[in-house]
Amino acid sequence: DQQVKQNSPSLSVQEGRISILNCDYTNSMFDYFLWYKKYPAEGPTFLISISSIKDKNEDGRFTVFLNKSAKHLSLHIVPSQPGDSAVYFCAASFSGANNLFFGTGTRLTVIP
Amino acid sequence: NAGVMQNPRHLVRRRGQEARLRCSPVKGHSHVYWYRQLPEEGLKFMVYLQKENIIDESGMPKERFSAEFPKEGPSILRIQQVVRGDSAAYFCASSPLLQGANTGELFFGEGSRLTVL
Repeated sequence: DQQVKQNSPSLSVQEGRISILNCDYTNSMFDYFLWYKKYPAEGPTFLISISSIKDKNEDGRFTVFLNKSAKHLSLHIVPSQPGDSAVYFCAASFSGANNLFFGTGTRLTVIP
Repeated sequence: NAGVMQNPRHLVRRRGQEARLRCSPVKGHSHVYWYRQLPEEGLKFMVYLQKENIIDESGMPKERFSAEFPKEGPSILRIQQVVRGDSAAYFCASSPLLQGANTGELFFGEGSRLTVL
């Protein structure tokens, strides 16, 4: 039962353009959403998060948008850089939970 | 300033053997989580521990799997009588906070890749 879904396994973008990674969820109890970035042979590292009371959170080149009615969130990276090439995991949690629910990841390739 | 340290990085076992995966959290972190990533899947929560206590093991298979986080030493995930389906990457994460999972304050190790022949 995959409660967090990332339907695009891969995405390629030219350097300098915008990367948009999408994520859908099914559990309406989720109230906190996170994006993690993972390089090969490394563990995931936290990138950015958003609470369900907001619809947008921005941190430098990274912006996360949340559409609660559609149970959808997206991560925008602009401008994309070759060093952004990695697997991006969407994750969700809810108050009182001890764990994160992860999506299956999207592999982003930024072409120089 | 060491991060989460996991060992071994790679482990090969034959069916029926035991696998022991170790995790040393970030210094000062008392909350440890284990996640498993099967091929082509996302990370799945297995167990959450604090020192000497299992807080939530709802994601752990009922048989053959156990975890501990003793007062001294690393956290250990133990898999007895391994089967091919146990082949996966096992990630440990630590947090300084209760509800670290909710704040993004989860620091992951590089993972231990178990291959069962």
